[in-house]
Amino acid sequence: ETTLTQSPAFMSATPGDKVNISCKASRDIDDDMNWYQQKPGEAPIFLIQEASTLVPGISPRFSGSGYGTDFTLTINNIKSEDAAYYFCLQHDDFPYTFGQGTKVEIK
Amino acid sequence: QVQIVQSGAEVKEPGASVKVSCKTSRYTFTNYAIHWVRQAPGQGLEWVGWINAGNGYTKYSQSFQGRVTITRDTSASTAYMELSSLRTEDTAVYFCARDRRPYCTNDCWGIDYWGQGSLVTVSS
Repeated sequence: ETTLTQSPAFMSATPGDKVNISCKASRDIDDDMNWYQQKPGEAPIFLIQEASTLVPGISPRFSGSGYGTDFTLTINNIKSEDAAYYFCLQHDDFPYTFGQGTKVEIK
Repeated sequence: QVQIVQSGAEVKEPGASVKVSCKTSRYTFTNYAIHWVRQAPGQGLEWVGWINAGNGYTKYSQSFQGRVTITRDTSASTAYMELSSLRTEDTAVYFCARDRRPYCTNDCWGIDYWGQGSLVTVSS
Protein backbone atom coordinates (compact mmCIF):
# COMPACT_ATOMS: atom_id res chain seq x y z
CA GLU A 1 0.00 0.00 0.00
CA THR A 2 1.31 3.45 -0.94
CA THR A 3 1.44 5.88 1.96
CA LEU A 4 0.98 9.59 1.29
CA THR A 5 2.43 12.04 3.81
CA GLN A 6 0.81 15.46 3.45
CA SER A 7 2.03 18.64 5.13
CA PRO A 8 1.30 20.94 6.79
CA ALA A 9 -1.84 19.75 8.56
CA PHE A 10 -2.94 23.34 9.12
CA MET A 11 -1.95 26.69 7.75
CA SER A 12 -3.14 30.26 8.09
CA ALA A 13 -2.65 32.63 5.16
CA THR A 14 -3.31 36.29 4.39
CA PRO A 15 -5.23 37.24 1.21
CA GLY A 16 -2.74 37.61 -1.63
CA ASP A 17 -0.26 35.06 -0.21
CA LYS A 18 1.19 32.16 -2.17
CA VAL A 19 0.59 28.84 -0.40
CA ASN A 20 2.31 25.48 -0.93
CA ILE A 21 1.00 22.12 0.25
CA SER A 22 3.23 19.07 0.02
CA CYS A 23 2.36 15.42 -0.54
CA LYS A 24 5.12 12.77 -0.42
CA ALA A 25 4.56 9.22 -1.60
CA SER A 26 6.25 6.20 -0.02
CA ARG A 27 7.24 4.90 -3.46
CA ASP A 28 7.51 6.14 -7.05
CA ILE A 29 3.99 6.78 -8.42
CA ASP A 30 4.98 8.57 -11.66
CA ASP A 31 2.46 11.43 -12.05
CA ASP A 32 -0.54 9.47 -10.74
CA MET A 33 -1.52 12.16 -8.26
CA ASN A 34 -4.72 14.22 -7.99
CA TRP A 35 -5.60 17.14 -5.72
CA TYR A 36 -8.99 18.11 -4.26
CA GLN A 37 -10.64 20.90 -2.30
CA GLN A 38 -13.36 20.18 0.25
CA LYS A 39 -15.53 22.65 2.15
CA PRO A 40 -17.57 21.61 5.21
CA GLY A 41 -20.69 19.66 4.30
CA GLU A 42 -19.91 19.70 0.58
CA ALA A 43 -18.63 17.20 -1.97
CA PRO A 44 -14.92 17.45 -2.75
CA ILE A 45 -13.98 19.37 -5.90
CA PHE A 46 -11.39 18.01 -8.33
CA LEU A 47 -8.61 20.58 -8.84
CA ILE A 48 -5.52 18.96 -10.40
CA GLN A 49 -5.09 15.71 -12.36
CA GLU A 50 -1.91 13.83 -13.25
CA ALA A 51 0.09 15.95 -10.79
CA SER A 52 0.13 19.17 -12.81
CA THR A 53 -2.87 19.45 -15.16
CA LEU A 54 -5.52 21.94 -14.10
CA VAL A 55 -9.04 20.50 -14.28
CA PRO A 56 -11.19 22.53 -16.73
CA GLY A 57 -13.17 25.25 -14.97
CA ILE A 58 -10.80 25.52 -12.01
CA SER A 59 -9.19 28.88 -11.28
CA PRO A 60 -5.64 29.21 -12.71
CA ARG A 61 -4.55 30.43 -9.27
CA PHE A 62 -4.30 26.70 -8.50
CA SER A 63 -1.35 24.72 -9.87
CA GLY A 64 0.35 21.41 -9.23
CA SER A 65 3.86 20.11 -9.68
CA GLY A 66 5.98 17.07 -9.00
CA TYR A 67 6.74 13.57 -10.22
CA GLY A 68 7.75 10.31 -8.64
CA THR A 69 7.48 10.78 -4.88
CA ASP A 70 7.29 14.54 -4.22
CA PHE A 71 4.27 16.63 -5.17
CA THR A 72 3.10 20.16 -4.44
CA LEU A 73 -0.20 22.00 -4.70
CA THR A 74 0.29 25.77 -5.01
CA ILE A 75 -2.38 28.42 -4.53
CA ASN A 76 -1.32 31.84 -5.86
CA ASN A 77 -2.91 35.11 -4.69
CA ILE A 78 -5.01 33.25 -2.14
CA LYS A 79 -8.56 34.55 -1.54
CA SER A 80 -11.05 34.18 1.29
CA GLU A 81 -13.07 31.69 -0.81
CA ASP A 82 -10.05 29.34 -0.81
CA ALA A 83 -10.52 28.58 2.90
CA ALA A 84 -11.03 24.81 2.82
CA TYR A 85 -9.56 21.36 3.42
CA TYR A 86 -7.20 20.17 0.66
CA PHE A 87 -6.09 16.59 0.08
CA CYS A 88 -4.10 14.51 -2.35
CA LEU A 89 -4.98 11.10 -3.84
CA GLN A 90 -2.69 8.58 -5.53
CA HIS A 91 -4.20 6.32 -8.18
CA ASP A 92 -1.05 4.47 -9.24
CA ASP A 93 -2.21 1.28 -7.54
CA PHE A 94 -4.99 -0.16 -5.42
CA PRO A 95 -5.96 0.60 -2.78
CA TYR A 96 -6.22 4.25 -3.66
CA THR A 97 -4.72 6.19 -0.75
CA PHE A 98 -5.06 9.75 0.45
CA GLY A 99 -2.99 12.33 2.22
CA GLN A 100 -4.16 13.28 5.71
CA GLY A 101 -5.28 16.68 4.45
CA THR A 102 -4.44 20.32 5.03
CA LYS A 103 -6.86 22.80 6.54
CA VAL A 104 -6.25 26.27 5.08
CA GLU A 105 -7.53 29.24 7.05
CA ILE A 106 -7.62 32.78 5.64
CA LYS A 107 -6.89 35.55 8.15
CA GLN B 1 -22.73 18.02 -15.55
CA VAL B 2 -22.42 14.64 -13.82
CA GLN B 3 -24.65 14.32 -10.76
CA ILE B 4 -24.21 11.93 -7.84
CA VAL B 5 -26.77 11.98 -5.04
CA GLN B 6 -26.46 9.78 -1.96
CA SER B 7 -29.01 8.59 0.56
CA GLY B 8 -29.48 10.33 3.88
CA ALA B 9 -27.97 9.96 7.32
CA GLU B 10 -28.34 6.70 9.24
CA VAL B 11 -28.05 5.79 12.91
CA LYS B 12 -27.33 2.16 13.68
CA GLU B 13 -26.55 0.07 16.73
CA PRO B 14 -23.30 -1.92 17.00
CA GLY B 15 -23.60 -5.24 15.20
CA ALA B 16 -26.19 -4.00 12.72
CA SER B 17 -25.78 -3.42 8.97
CA VAL B 18 -26.22 -0.29 6.88
CA LYS B 19 -26.83 0.11 3.15
CA VAL B 20 -26.05 3.43 1.49
CA SER B 21 -27.23 4.28 -2.00
CA CYS B 22 -25.57 6.41 -4.69
CA LYS B 23 -27.77 7.56 -7.56
CA THR B 24 -26.00 8.90 -10.63
CA SER B 25 -27.20 10.84 -13.65
CA ARG B 26 -26.09 12.77 -16.74
CA TYR B 27 -23.59 10.18 -17.89
CA THR B 28 -23.61 6.54 -19.00
CA PHE B 29 -23.53 4.67 -15.68
CA THR B 30 -22.13 1.41 -17.03
CA ASN B 31 -19.09 3.08 -18.59
CA TYR B 32 -17.45 4.08 -15.31
CA ALA B 33 -16.41 2.53 -12.00
CA ILE B 34 -17.80 3.80 -8.70
CA HIS B 35 -15.62 4.03 -5.61
CA TRP B 36 -16.64 4.19 -1.95
CA VAL B 37 -14.51 6.26 0.43
CA ARG B 38 -15.06 7.10 4.07
CA GLN B 39 -13.99 9.94 6.36
CA ALA B 40 -14.21 9.40 10.10
CA PRO B 41 -14.54 12.46 12.37
CA GLY B 42 -11.24 14.34 12.47
CA GLN B 43 -9.56 11.72 10.27
CA GLY B 44 -8.34 11.51 6.71
CA LEU B 45 -10.03 9.72 3.84
CA GLU B 46 -9.98 5.94 3.51
CA TRP B 47 -10.76 3.92 0.37
CA VAL B 48 -13.37 1.23 1.02
CA GLY B 49 -13.82 -0.43 -2.35
CA TRP B 50 -14.84 -0.17 -5.99
CA ILE B 51 -17.29 -1.62 -8.48
CA ASN B 52 -17.03 -1.75 -12.25
CA ALA B 53 -20.56 -0.58 -13.04
CA GLY B 54 -20.48 -2.35 -16.42
CA ASN B 55 -19.71 -5.92 -15.41
CA GLY B 56 -20.22 -5.75 -11.63
CA TYR B 57 -16.64 -6.71 -10.77
CA THR B 58 -15.68 -5.51 -7.29
CA LYS B 59 -12.48 -4.92 -5.38
CA TYR B 60 -12.37 -4.20 -1.65
CA SER B 61 -9.83 -2.81 0.78
CA GLN B 62 -8.32 -5.51 2.98
CA SER B 63 -9.47 -3.44 5.97
CA PHE B 64 -13.12 -4.11 5.08
CA GLN B 65 -12.89 -7.53 3.44
CA GLY B 66 -15.71 -9.74 4.61
CA ARG B 67 -17.82 -6.89 5.99
CA VAL B 68 -18.50 -4.78 2.90
CA THR B 69 -20.52 -5.53 -0.22
CA ILE B 70 -20.77 -3.15 -3.14
CA THR B 71 -23.48 -3.73 -5.73
CA ARG B 72 -25.19 -1.83 -8.51
CA ASP B 73 -28.55 -1.60 -10.29
CA THR B 74 -27.86 -0.61 -13.87
CA SER B 75 -31.55 0.08 -14.60
CA ALA B 76 -31.52 2.75 -11.86
CA SER B 77 -27.95 4.00 -12.48
CA THR B 78 -27.40 3.44 -8.77
CA ALA B 79 -24.62 1.87 -6.73
CA TYR B 80 -24.93 0.57 -3.18
CA MET B 81 -22.54 -0.08 -0.32
CA GLU B 82 -23.56 -2.37 2.52
CA LEU B 83 -21.40 -2.57 5.64
CA SER B 84 -22.18 -5.25 8.22
CA SER B 85 -21.17 -6.03 11.81
CA LEU B 86 -20.97 -2.30 12.49
CA ARG B 87 -18.65 -1.00 15.22
CA THR B 88 -18.56 2.43 16.82
CA GLU B 89 -15.37 3.14 14.88
CA ASP B 90 -17.33 2.80 11.61
CA THR B 91 -18.96 6.15 12.41
CA ALA B 92 -18.02 8.27 9.41
CA VAL B 93 -19.20 10.11 6.34
CA TYR B 94 -19.31 7.66 3.43
CA PHE B 95 -18.78 9.07 -0.06
CA CYS B 96 -19.38 7.47 -3.41
CA ALA B 97 -17.40 8.84 -6.33
CA ARG B 98 -16.83 8.16 -10.01
CA ASP B 99 -13.52 7.06 -11.47
CA ARG B 100 -12.26 9.37 -14.16
CA ARG B 101 -11.32 6.63 -16.64
CA PRO B 102 -14.03 4.95 -18.72
CA TYR B 103 -13.99 1.15 -18.61
CA CYS B 104 -11.15 1.06 -16.10
CA THR B 105 -10.14 -2.29 -14.66
CA ASN B 106 -6.69 -2.12 -13.11
CA ASP B 107 -5.10 1.03 -14.49
CA CYS B 108 -7.56 3.69 -13.34
CA TRP B 109 -7.24 7.46 -13.22
CA GLY B 110 -8.51 8.51 -9.82
CA ILE B 111 -11.76 10.22 -8.89
CA ASP B 112 -13.41 13.12 -10.71
CA TYR B 113 -16.97 13.49 -9.33
CA TRP B 114 -18.10 12.90 -5.75
CA GLY B 115 -21.43 12.50 -4.02
CA GLN B 116 -22.33 14.77 -1.11
CA GLY B 117 -21.60 12.09 1.51
CA SER B 118 -23.82 10.07 3.85
CA LEU B 119 -23.24 10.22 7.60
CA VAL B 120 -23.43 6.84 9.29
CA THR B 121 -23.46 6.97 13.08
CA VAL B 122 -22.94 3.77 15.04
CA SER B 123 -24.01 4.10 18.63
CA SER B 124 -25.82 2.14 21.30
